[in-house]
Amino acid sequence: DAGVIQSPRHEVTEMGQEVTLRCKPISGHNSLFWYRQTMMRGLELLIYFNNNVPIDDSGMPEDRFSAKMPNASFSTLKIQPSEPRDSAVYFCASRVDSNQPQHFGDGTRLSIL
Amino acid sequence: QKEVEQDPGPLSVPEGAIVSLNCTYSNSAFQYFMWYRQYSRKGPELLMYTYSSGNKEDGRFTAQVDKSSKYISLFIRDSQPSDSATYLCANFNTGNQFYFGTGTSLTVIP
Repeated sequence: DAGVIQSPRHEVTEMGQEVTLRCKPISGHNSLFWYRQTMMRGLELLIYFNNNVPIDDSGMPEDRFSAKMPNASFSTLKIQPSEPRDSAVYFCASRVDSNQPQHFGDGTRLSIL
Repeated sequence: QKEVEQDPGPLSVPEGAIVSLNCTYSNSAFQYFMWYRQYSRKGPELLMYTYSSGNKEDGRFTAQVDKSSKYISLFIRDSQPSDSATYLCANFNTGNQFYFGTGTSLTVIP
């Protein structure tokens, strides 16, 4: 079975550019999560969706960050404009229901120069 | 106080040793407990998942939950170099509260 698929795996771009990260959750999973991981802060939850609806976006650091889930099989996390402090690994995770654990993709390693 | 506390290590053990990894948590409402293993440049991989207090065993891995003291542990028997990774504890309840520890880095030396 395919796991959570994220693209791109690596992204290097210059400060001020728009960055779009993509995620395909596991088929049949109804919740999707976006995390950011850094050495200093560990895993931070940015936003999560239930049945394509954003439930909690309190972890989104600034208005520069936005996330969408137009359908059950696709989500994007966008940063516009990007800044060097956004450099981190961004993970997407999904779960089948609220009684089950999350399953993670392999992340997007983002570097903002 | 963080919701989940985990000693970051690093922890270094010889091959074949028994490894003990531990976390404490603060919210007694947590119902579900997990351990994830994360290799370098990979995503966290679910290793163990349990609902109740007590032990759950899977091969060389045993997860232990003590809800009375809010303490969760992962034991690795006969540790192998391939077990070298970062281990994250996590917990959640059906009220959509979920928390991850910061991870313990483990190196098993051949």
